[in-house]
Amino acid sequence: DTAVSQTPKYLVTQMGNDKSIKCEQNLGHDTMYWYKQDSKKFLKIMFSYNNKELIINETVPNRFSPKSPDKAHLNLHINSLELGDSAVYFCASSLAGTDEQYFGPGTRLTVT
Amino acid sequence: AQSVTQLDSQVPVFEEAPVELRCNYSSSVSVYLFWYVQYPNQGLQLLLKYLSGSTLVKGINGFEAEFNKSQTSFHLRKPSVHISDTAEYFCAASGYSTLTFGKGTMLLVSP
Repeated sequence: DTAVSQTPKYLVTQMGNDKSIKCEQNLGHDTMYWYKQDSKKFLKIMFSYNNKELIINETVPNRFSPKSPDKAHLNLHINSLELGDSAVYFCASSLAGTDEQYFGPGTRLTVT
Repeated sequence: AQSVTQLDSQVPVFEEAPVELRCNYSSSVSVYLFWYVQYPNQGLQLLLKYLSGSTLVKGINGFEAEFNKSQTSFHLRKPSVHISDTAEYFCAASGYSTLTFGKGTMLLVSP
């Protein structure tokens, strides 16, 4: 009965690799988000999708590409990983217009 | 554009003492305001929210917050904290479906 789930929970990989993080929500929400939390705990929006369409794309390197196969899923693919990509990535979802977002447990990405 | 300022990066307090975590926001439009809590190695959980109506908002775990439009503040309070309240607390403002977070305040409760 998990509301917003992410896989994997931990991801350790080497520089230059390509990796994906998956997110699924079973709340019936139509808007999904990706946030990055850096080592100082600062949270910043990366992307927002509404009904499978991109509506927010902050200044994120184009090595990051979100993909939304349907309203319940928003995956994050990262190419050519760099040391600075090490962070915790959170997926969230909401109903458009409510602004109350529900967060997943996070994926801790470590690039070595 | 909006911004959220949490003035204290860390607040140490003894168990059963009252606590206030400060949050100020700036926005050119009406905003919704939220407090989230993040326990160690976990995701964010919504504590409470202000959308409209009464300026005093009650949330989970005995927390409450007061929206003050003239001071552009949304401070979080709890009259008596427990050890289990030790966590990172984030204030956030929403406008046009974008959540802007403050930098967080670490609440450290000691016996």
